[in-house]
Order: sequence, then C-alpha cells, then structure tokens
Amino acid sequence: ETGVTQTPRHLVMGMTNKKSLKCEQHLGHNAMYWYKQSAKKPLELMFVYNFKEQTENNSVPSRFSPECPNSSHLFLHLHTLQPEDSALYLCASSQADREGNEQFFGPGTRLTVL
Amino acid sequence: AQTVTQSQPEMSVQEAETVTLSCTYDTSESDYYLFWYKQPPSRQMILVIRQEAYKQQNATENRFSVNFQKAAKSFSLKISDSQLGDAAMYFCAYSIAQGGSEKLVFGKGTKLTVNP
Repeated sequence: ETGVTQTPRHLVMGMTNKKSLKCEQHLGHNAMYWYKQSAKKPLELMFVYNFKEQTENNSVPSRFSPECPNSSHLFLHLHTLQPEDSALYLCASSQADREGNEQFFGPGTRLTVL
Repeated sequence: AQTVTQSQPEMSVQEAETVTLSCTYDTSESDYYLFWYKQPPSRQMILVIRQEAYKQQNATENRFSVNFQKAAKSFSLKISDSQLGDAAMYFCAYSIAQGGSEKLVFGKGTKLTVNP
C-alpha cells in the first residue's frame, strides 16, 4: 500500500448503528486530519492530530469520536448519526515540521446515513 | 471570518486552450500559504500548485501557473494547453498555523470540463 488509504470506501448505516472509519498513511508523516466533504459546501476540517495529540476539534458534534493510536493510523468512530451527516469523509496526512507542507489525501469513505 | 470564494461553480474549456479559475480569500494573517488542489472524478485529491504569501513571484508547475495578487487577496489558476485529464473539481485553499497545528481553509470548488 502507498500513500493514504481509507476503509471502507462506502458505508451505509442506520441512525442507531455504531461504525468506525479507518485511515492509514504510509508516508512517514506526523500529522493526520479528518475532513467532511458535502455537496456544494467547502471541505470542512473536523479534527487534527499532530504527533498523535489532538490539536484541533472544529466544533464537531460528539457523535463523531476520533482516535489516533499512532502516527500512521487514524480512526473516526461514529454513533447515533443523523441523515445530514451523509457525506464523503476524507483523511489526509502531512509532515508538520514546517508550515505550508502539502497535505496528502485518501480516497475517502462515502457515508450514507438512513 | 476566514473564507475562500470561488465564484465559478463550473467552467469549460476546449482541449489545448487556456482557462483561468478564480479565487479570492479573506484572512487577517500576514503569513500564509495558498494552494490549488485537484479532485478528479472518483479519485483522490492531489496538490496542483502552491504559493507562499511572502513571495511575490508567481508559482509555476509545467502547464499550471498562478496569478497571486496579495493586496487584492486574489489567487487565480491558469491552465495552459488543457488536456482531457485536467477535467476535475479544483479547490482553492489557504493554510494558517493555529493552535499548534496547520489548518486548511477551502473554497467550494470549481468543476472544470474539458471538451475534445
């Protein structure tokens, strides 16, 4: 595997389900990000982890719970979601040793909440 | 408010022609970076070009170049000799250091169609 991978690629869940999204980066980076991409809206930054420490929580509802066990893996745990949470969830990584570094994105998980 | 505006939801260009995608942004920061990212249909988002705000010289990457006007807070992308593979969503973004991390602020995107 190379770059940033995400599983699953597609997920359909009910409002009472609990599921998790997984992201893995194979680039040796030390910062990882979760973004939400909805139709006709800008990408929204949800969470940032820098050296495994969460440094940003962009006012995300508590039904989204991130976990970063090490610098290569990032999870987004989902529970009691709402239909408006349906979107493409993108993971990204970067080397956070200086400003302006490129973020590398995964292919995303297309989430549908019924 | 920190925002990025891409005023063209959709654009089209003939193959081999030139197209310019517009972007304006609003930030009170003096030091930041600007980016254009490309998201082809059902494929991963990738970086097209990057500009450091403290550099006056416009960035260029092969057929892609920018027109950076710092005072006007404008950052347009020019694609020369357009190719079918350039068809994608293009997102303008800037990054700022905030609270120990770097934050990317994106526009809504411009969908570019390349006609053969």
